[in-house]
Amino acid sequence: AQSVTQLDSQVPVFEEAPVELRCNYSSSVSVYLFWYVQYPNQGLQLLLKYLSGSTLVKGINGFEAEFNKSQTSFHLRKPSVHISDTAEYFCAVSAGNQGGKLIFGQGTELSVKP
Amino acid sequence: ETGVTQTPRHLVMGMTNKKSLKCEQHLGHNAMYWYKQSAKKPLELMFVYNFKEQTENNSVPSRFSPECPNSSHLFLHLHTLQPEDSALYLCASSQVGVPLITGELFFGEGSRLTVL
Repeated sequence: AQSVTQLDSQVPVFEEAPVELRCNYSSSVSVYLFWYVQYPNQGLQLLLKYLSGSTLVKGINGFEAEFNKSQTSFHLRKPSVHISDTAEYFCAVSAGNQGGKLIFGQGTELSVKP
Repeated sequence: ETGVTQTPRHLVMGMTNKKSLKCEQHLGHNAMYWYKQSAKKPLELMFVYNFKEQTENNSVPSRFSPECPNSSHLFLHLHTLQPEDSALYLCASSQVGVPLITGELFFGEGSRLTVL
């Protein structure tokens, strides 16, 4: 079975600084990987996804993530954050042999300060 | 009109009450989901419906009773809940089989439930 670990529960950062949110997964089969974002008092929305092909994936709002199979990681990065990026970020994994069920990590709270 | 609408947004109930959460999707999807989001815990998948048929029940206690009358509507009936059931309940929708390929679930804003 798959599992997802988000290594940081909270990440405080100043506006315009770079940020990396870490995600590691475990699975014995090929996986699909996702990042979702949840703004305050809202549901989750898809930020980006890795299905196959290029290991560097670009998403909305200037975010990108890199799939590293050898390190079983899918870290999310942004070179310069804005106040509006303050939100909770969830990493998720899906494996084909599990009927496509999404397994979510615990979430990382990104707090961008002026 | 947002894609997935949940009502009520906030609900406070006693342990002996009976209430229901409602979800409606306007995206033409044919799969709907209930997730439970508790503080500092991963999202927990509760139920999955494909074409109105329940395809997954993730060992959810019987005090939670889902109902899917059609592909656009999903309910979660609540009765004799416990304080530990207090959480944000999220509804989501997708096309059948799509999570297998794209993982794109469309979420509502959630119903914040407090059980006293």
